[in-house]
Amino acid sequence: KAGVTQTPRYLIKTRGQQVTLSCSPISGHRSVSWYQQTPGQGLQFLFEYFSETQRNKGNFPGRFSGRQFSNSRSEMNVSTLELGDSALYLCASSPPQGANEQFFGPGTRLTVL
Amino acid sequence: SQQGEEDPQALSIQEGENATMNCSYKTSINNLQWYRQNSGRGLVHLILIRSNEREKHSGRLRVTLDTSKKSSSLLITASRAADTASYFCATDAPGAGSYQLTFGKGTKLSVIP
Repeated sequence: KAGVTQTPRYLIKTRGQQVTLSCSPISGHRSVSWYQQTPGQGLQFLFEYFSETQRNKGNFPGRFSGRQFSNSRSEMNVSTLELGDSALYLCASSPPQGANEQFFGPGTRLTVL
Repeated sequence: SQQGEEDPQALSIQEGENATMNCSYKTSINNLQWYRQNSGRGLVHLILIRSNEREKHSGRLRVTLDTSKKSSSLLITASRAADTASYFCATDAPGAGSYQLTFGKGTKLSVIP
C-alpha cells in the first residue's frame, strides 16, 4: 500500500496570505489527523477528521481550518498567515479498527516571510 | 500543551551500546506510543503499549510502562548509526478520542559509528 502523501512538500508564503495543504491517507484509512511541529512548541495536535466530520480539535485559532472529502483525502487551510505559522505540518492516517497507531506523511514545510 | 516529557533531551552513544529514553506524562492514558523522526521528516511508528500492559518488545526495542508513576521508557539495544533520530512518546487520553495524540518534546539520539 502506498503511504500517506502530502502536497506540497515545501511552501513559502508572505504574511497575510492564506495557504491550503493537502493530505491523502493510506487506502482504507478513514481517520486523518493534522499536527503542527515547531522548534519551540514541538508537535501539537490541530484536528482530526473521520468520515468527513471533524471529531477533535486542538487549541488553535480559527484561522486554522480543515475538511475531509468522501474519499478520505483531507485539506487544511490557514488564513491570514503569521510569521509564527512557519512550521512543519504533518498529516497522519489511522486504520479503522484495532491499534491506535498513526501513519504519518513526510510533512509540508511552510515558511512565512 | 505537552503531555509527555522525554528525558534526556539529547543522548550520544557509541554504536553497539544500548540507549534508554524516558517519558513522563501528566494525566490518565489509554495508550502510550513511541515514534521516531529522522531530521525534520515524517514520524515513524515504533511501538504501542496499552495502559494495562507493563512491558512490550519489538525487535531491538523494549518499552516499559508504569502507570502508577506515569512514566515509560524506551530501550534500544545494540544501537546502530541508522538509529540516529529524534524519539517521541505520545499519549492518548480516555475520552479525548483515540486519534488525538499528545506528544512530548522528544529525545535526540546520536549514535556514533
